[in-house]
Amino acid sequence: GEDVEQSLFLSVREGDSSVINCTYTDSSSTYLYWYKQEPGAGLQLLTYIFSNMDMKQDQRLTVLLNKKDKHLSLRIADTQTGDSAIYFCAEILYSSASKIIFGSGTRLSIRP
Amino acid sequence: NAGVTQTPKFRILKIGQSMTLQCTQDMNHNYMYWYRQDPGMGLKLIYYSVGAGITDKGEVPNGYNVSRSTTEDFPLRLELAAPSQTSVYFCASSYSQSASGNIQYFGAGTRLSVL
Repeated sequence: GEDVEQSLFLSVREGDSSVINCTYTDSSSTYLYWYKQEPGAGLQLLTYIFSNMDMKQDQRLTVLLNKKDKHLSLRIADTQTGDSAIYFCAEILYSSASKIIFGSGTRLSIRP
Repeated sequence: NAGVTQTPKFRILKIGQSMTLQCTQDMNHNYMYWYRQDPGMGLKLIYYSVGAGITDKGEVPNGYNVSRSTTEDFPLRLELAAPSQTSVYFCASSYSQSASGNIQYFGAGTRLSVL
């Protein structure tokens, strides 16, 4: 079946790195996404990775993909208060490109 | 550039009432989507549309209807509101449904309570 799982909460100290983890079940996933949702707002695409890649880096963001274990992670370096949000992992299936499966979201809170 | 605009932002309905959630986009995207987000859950797809005049069911279509008479607008209709429809509703659009192009742009959401 299709399922994307994430832990619900993560708390980190300002300036530390945050690592948000995600597991997915469908091996036919072609693209995997990270979306960010700030309070009272819709989801905004942060970054994505194609399934034939292991890593993608974009400024403070690093995405790691372990296709064998179906594990995706998002690392945010030097976490700032503005990074407080809910982060959603999502996958798109080769068999149904219209269907994106979202995880339940990880709420990231920043301690001073 | 407004992107995806949803109205209203908040609404309280009584059981059995009906309402339409409005969604419009100004990016000339063919593909539009309606999701609901329940607390602690991911987004569930209600309906989607691949272009004007064409709509299709998602994972959780029961209790909802949609129409797509123009490229810009994709309203979601609740005919007989039930407490189980209390949720936050998001509209999204994308320029493509190919795996490489299905980057969805979201509206700010409509928070609906049915009492």
